[in-house]
Amino acid sequence: AQTVTQSQPEMSVQEAETVTLSCTYDTSESDYYLFWYKQPPSRQMILVIRQEAYKQQNATENRFSVNFQKAAKSFSLKISDSQLGDAAMYFCAYRSVLGAGGTSYGKLTFGQGTILTVHP
Amino acid sequence: DGGITQSPKYLFRKEGQNVTLSCEQNLNHDAMYWYRQDPGQGLRLIYYSQIVNDFQKGDIAEGYSVSREKKESFPLTVTSAQKNPTAFYLCASRSPGTGGNEQYFGPGTRLTVT
Repeated sequence: AQTVTQSQPEMSVQEAETVTLSCTYDTSESDYYLFWYKQPPSRQMILVIRQEAYKQQNATENRFSVNFQKAAKSFSLKISDSQLGDAAMYFCAYRSVLGAGGTSYGKLTFGQGTILTVHP
Repeated sequence: DGGITQSPKYLFRKEGQNVTLSCEQNLNHDAMYWYRQDPGQGLRLIYYSQIVNDFQKGDIAEGYSVSREKKESFPLTVTSAQKNPTAFYLCASRSPGTGGNEQYFGPGTRLTVT
C-alpha cells in the first residue's frame, strides 16, 4: 500500500515571499500521479497542481511549482509571491495509474496536511 | 453550472440513529467517492463507485453503506455501527480512464453525533 507523509503540520510565510511545503511518499509502483490540493477555510478542496511520474519535467501553474524527485520519492510544493488568499490547508496526494480490472478507480491517498499561514 | 452538491452542510444526529448524506453531481462522471476527514489526518476513502449499480469498500468502510442507483447520485449512510461518526465528509467524482483526471470535490457535510 502507498503512504504519503507531510512532515510539516504548520508553516508560515510573509506576503510576497516564497514558501516550500514538503511531501514524501512510499510506493513500489513505477508510474503514478501526484497532486497538491488546497483546502481554504470554506473546506472546499481545490486542485493546485498535478505531476505525472513518468514526466521528468516539474509541473508549474502560475505561482505554484513542484520539485519532483522520483528517486527520493519527494514531491514538494513551492508557492512564489505568496498572497493572503493562499492561506489554507494543503494536502499532498498520490494516485496509482492502474487499479483492479486494468483501469484506475482513481483512489487518492492523502498526507496529513500542512496548514499555511500568510502574514501581511 | 456543473459541479457536485452535498446537503446539508451541517447535520446533527443522536447516537444510535442512522443518517444519510446526500451527494449529487451533474458532471456526467462515472466514478464517485466518499472520503472522511478528521482533524490532524488527511482524507480517508470510505467507499467508491466506478459505475452505476457497482461500488467497492475503501479503507474505512466499516459502519457505512452506500448505493449507486443513478449516475448522478451516490448517497452515504452512516449507521449506528460506526463508532466515531462525528467528522467532515467529502464526496468527489472523476471522469473515467487511466489518465491524470482530477477528482472534483463537493463542499462537504459536517456530521455531529451526540
